[in-house]
Amino acid sequence: EAGVVQSPRYKIIEKKQPVAFWCNPISGHNTLYWYRQNLGQGPELLIRYENEEAVDDSQLPKDRFSAERLKGVDSTLKIQPAELGDSAVYLCASSLGFWGVDEQYFGPGTRLTVT
Amino acid sequence: AQTVTQSQPEMSVQEAETVTLSCTYDTSESDYYLFWYKQPPSRQMILVIRQEAYKQQNATENRFSVNFQKAAKSFSLKISDSQLGDAAMYFCAYNRDMRFGAGTRLTVKP
Repeated sequence: EAGVVQSPRYKIIEKKQPVAFWCNPISGHNTLYWYRQNLGQGPELLIRYENEEAVDDSQLPKDRFSAERLKGVDSTLKIQPAELGDSAVYLCASSLGFWGVDEQYFGPGTRLTVT
Repeated sequence: AQTVTQSQPEMSVQEAETVTLSCTYDTSESDYYLFWYKQPPSRQMILVIRQEAYKQQNATENRFSVNFQKAAKSFSLKISDSQLGDAAMYFCAYNRDMRFGAGTRLTVKP
């Protein structure tokens, strides 16, 4: 069974440029998560989808970040414009059930460097 | 807002010995789930163990077990017979808002 797929794995951009990250969850998983992980810290939830509905986006900086999960499968996270402080690893995870009670399966992450 | 605190930034254990990683959390909920995740260097995060708050019995998974103290809001992870492959960052997490602690870096000495 394929795991959670993320692309790109690495991205280097200049500040004020846009950037997008893509995630393909495990087939059949209903919940999808986007996290940001700064160096030496734990993941911070940005947004959680149950099917195609964003049920928790309280930590998403909505002035510059946007996300979508079309047809309840793949998801894209976008930053526009990027700032120096956005440099981090962006993790996507998926789980079978809802309410965060099930094991999350994480992708390898996208390491973003903003110069 | 709920918080998850891991007070040990780094821990070290001798191979084959036992180590305990600490985690405390703050919540007003009575029904929730707690997790320990492992993140090896340059590898993906994986689940180690899960505890359901309504279950009094502590969860165990082979060499990994937890000490869940609901009243004290404490959730520690015990690793027995430590192996070199256990070296990683360990994160405690709480499901209600998927909050993670800052992590504990575990080093295993041969």
